[in-house]
Amino acid sequence: SQKIEQNSEALNIQEGKTATLTCNYTNYSPAYLQWYRQDPGRGPVFLLLIRENEKEKRKERLKVTFDTTLKQSLFHITASQPADSATYLCALDSGGSYIPTFGRGTSLIVHP
Amino acid sequence: DTGVSQNPRHKITKRGQNVTFRCDPISEHNRLYWYRQTLGQGPEFLTYFQNEAQLEKSRLLSDRFSAERPKGSFSTLEIQRTEQGDSAMYLCASSPSRGQGNEQYFGPGTRLTVT
Repeated sequence: SQKIEQNSEALNIQEGKTATLTCNYTNYSPAYLQWYRQDPGRGPVFLLLIRENEKEKRKERLKVTFDTTLKQSLFHITASQPADSATYLCALDSGGSYIPTFGRGTSLIVHP
Repeated sequence: DTGVSQNPRHKITKRGQNVTFRCDPISEHNRLYWYRQTLGQGPEFLTYFQNEAQLEKSRLLSDRFSAERPKGSFSTLEIQRTEQGDSAMYLCASSPSRGQGNEQYFGPGTRLTVT
């Protein structure tokens, strides 16, 4: 069955450092991989999307990589700030069904 | 504000009662989704519409769950004969037909508590 794995343990880092979050998947051939931010009690917010034929995507302090051979995406936040503290979700979409599948998310805590 | 809106934001109900939630998507988005999210988990897909057509409903959690989008605009999710296990956050999202790749724009959610 399709499986998406994100670290269940929270990632704690110091302000100013680069945070790197991982999304691994199995039994899936996604056309798109998306990253979302979710704050407690709120709906997820779309951040970035990367296609299967793209290796890297950037947006301001955010960078996403996508390795379809390793079946892995890395999400980087450079120069992290306490305001970046949230849960980050990855989602995979095959492109044909228009039904995204979400991982459980990884909590990021940036300490001042 | 032209984002996705959901009402009510919170609902407390007794077991066995029926509840209905409403979602108003971003107006130019033609796809509308319903998800359920429990603590520590990601959103779990329930159903989605393209305009007024419900294209996938096999993942609705039981026959107590139903959704409508009668005119291709707002949508409702109904849960009949609620059970304590239905307690969760119910999220609605919409997606543009000409987006980057089915990116989801979520509403704030409806928190359901079944006592």
